[in-house]
Amino acid sequence: GENVEQHPSTLSVQEGDSAVIKCTYSDSASNYFPWYKQELGKGPQLIIDIRSNVGEKKDQRIAVTLNKTAKHFSLHITETQPEDSAVYFCAASRNSGYALNFGKGTSLLVTP
Amino acid sequence: IAGITQAPTSQILAAGRRMTLRCTQDMRHNAMYWYRQDLGLGLRLIHYSNTAGTTGKGEVPDGYSVSRANTDDFPLTLASAVPSQTSVYFCASSDGPLYGYTFGSGTRLTVV
Repeated sequence: GENVEQHPSTLSVQEGDSAVIKCTYSDSASNYFPWYKQELGKGPQLIIDIRSNVGEKKDQRIAVTLNKTAKHFSLHITETQPEDSAVYFCAASRNSGYALNFGKGTSLLVTP
Repeated sequence: IAGITQAPTSQILAAGRRMTLRCTQDMRHNAMYWYRQDLGLGLRLIHYSNTAGTTGKGEVPDGYSVSRANTDDFPLTLASAVPSQTSVYFCASSDGPLYGYTFGSGTRLTVV
């Protein structure tokens, strides 16, 4: 089955700096790669996703890049703010009948 | 407000007891999922349902069962709870495998 690895497990940055979280996947047939943000005591919330027919997608301060040849994708957060502090999960899946496989998460701390 | 409702929010359960975690969505999504979240292990798929009337096993199905009698409801049953089932359980739904999930707020279960 699909194996998604996520690094780093913890990340601390200063407010205003950029944060990058990286994920690799094993199933070359995977074609959907979402990112979720989970705040304390809440369920994960989708923040951005990318499909395999594009290499990069941006939404304000967050962006995701995908390298299908190398089977890795990354989340980039620019101009970080304290409210960006949360646990971030990457995930991957492929076509019908397959659920998302999640990475183990990255705990991001943005210090003022 | 459209979304997923999980109940109960939290529960302390004696080992050996039977317990059903409830999940209801009002978005008419075809697919529904149950994940458990444990520290350091991320989100692991227990069971899923791609459409009403069908279910499938995920990564960690042992000790759990599900049913999908209609589109909106996807209950998870622990037939005889064991301490290793202590976890936070999240229900999610989506329009399909290439679309983002909407998660519920979770059920924190402690088996003693």
